[in-house]
Amino acid sequence: DAGITQSPRHKVTETGTPVTLRCHQTENHRYMYWYRQDPGHGLRLIHYSYGVKDTDKGEVSDGYSVSRSKTEDFLLTLESATSSQTSVYFCAISERGGDQPQHFGDGTRLSIL
Amino acid sequence: GQNIDQPTEMTATEGAIVQINCTYQTSGFNGLFWYQQHAGEAPTFLSYNVLDGLEEKGRFSSFLSRSKGYSYLLLKELQMKDSASYLCAVRLVSGGYNKLIFGAGTRLAVHP
Repeated sequence: DAGITQSPRHKVTETGTPVTLRCHQTENHRYMYWYRQDPGHGLRLIHYSYGVKDTDKGEVSDGYSVSRSKTEDFLLTLESATSSQTSVYFCAISERGGDQPQHFGDGTRLSIL
Repeated sequence: GQNIDQPTEMTATEGAIVQINCTYQTSGFNGLFWYQQHAGEAPTFLSYNVLDGLEEKGRFSSFLSRSKGYSYLLLKELQMKDSASYLCAVRLVSGGYNKLIFGAGTRLAVHP
């Protein structure tokens, strides 16, 4: 199994609070991704990174920011959480940006009340 | 826009064969992935097709027709543990990175 750790695994917080989710990898892969998964929508890309300090937006990036200061860590921040951001968040990694599959972490279940 | 369609749910009997279809309409195409996801767990990679034809991997096979915008995942000798969601994902190349667009997934229930 790919060495990907997401933390926390579960979180409940209130609307308007900041939230940071962490993805840590031990594979030294260049590419890292944050997705959210909601019923009926499948996995949707929030942000991705193609190297240290190199990040770009995905299809549902509004309300989210990311940072990658080290190869192994990719942080996802909700500056002011809203109830629409209640979801399961998955981090993924891939060695190259080509035909290699992405490997996923175990997910973070985030509830915003 | 990008559109990927899969049936929402399917049921099948243990020991049988089931085919899960995926049709796509995307701007650009550079391959198609299938993932398996058990409830409450991470998606795990099953197969990748970039050329037309059938790729076989044990009990699982995946087929692609680029001209038709169509793929299917074939599961043979079904087992109870195959009860899971199956996700179809199209690879688009943008700026040299591996961008995936996922379908909503097909939830397969295998009955004894």
